[in-house]
Amino acid sequence: DFVMTQSPDSLAVSLGARATINCKSSQSVLYSSNNKNYLTWYQQKPGQPPKLLIYWASTRESGVPDRFSGSGSGTDFTLTISSLQAEDVAVYYCQQYYTTPKTFGQGTKVEIK
Amino acid sequence: EVQLVESGGGLVQPGGSLRLSCAASGFTFSSYWLTWVRQAAGKGLEWVANIKQDGSEKYYVDSVKGRFTISRDNAKNSLYLQMNSLRVEDTALYYCARDVGYSDSSGFHRYGMDVWGQGTTVTVS
Repeated sequence: DFVMTQSPDSLAVSLGARATINCKSSQSVLYSSNNKNYLTWYQQKPGQPPKLLIYWASTRESGVPDRFSGSGSGTDFTLTISSLQAEDVAVYYCQQYYTTPKTFGQGTKVEIK
Repeated sequence: EVQLVESGGGLVQPGGSLRLSCAASGFTFSSYWLTWVRQAAGKGLEWVANIKQDGSEKYYVDSVKGRFTISRDNAKNSLYLQMNSLRVEDTALYYCARDVGYSDSSGFHRYGMDVWGQGTTVTVS
């Protein structure tokens, strides 16, 4: 199975500052036939189900604010929140959609400093 | 409104069985792969199983293979998870979710889960 490892496990960021979350896959999630990375990011707020934020490593889901961005390729990926807002307090998960089982990272908790 | 609503959770003894249901509305149910994801209290997300639009393909995480069975009834817009031989470690909130993707010349490519239910709680104790 693909192992997804996120870092850090938690971080505290001041309002308006940048938050950066890393996700590393044990194997490449780059699909050669379409040159897309099958890496997805979700946001989960307390008491709510996860929300799809970014897919193909860098494509924002409709309605997601542009302060959220994704980057990376192959095995190393980053989710960046450019200017943290209070409503961004949540746990963020990466997930590989390259193969089954479609494994998640362990999650990164983002809080306000 | 596009919606998924899970039901069927509860308290069961180790070794027991439970059947979860997920009722869909607001979209063409038969056009989508569907997935079960679980989350133990205070823990992360775990992908459990998924099923193709017509039910012809089903996949499971190793820890539930041979114990859980995913199925669907497209006429009833419903997804199911039959859970047998339950273990304490199966205790979790179980979500159903809709896979999203796109089609091109090389096939259909799913890239995430865009609709989630609120979950149903399974406690094995």
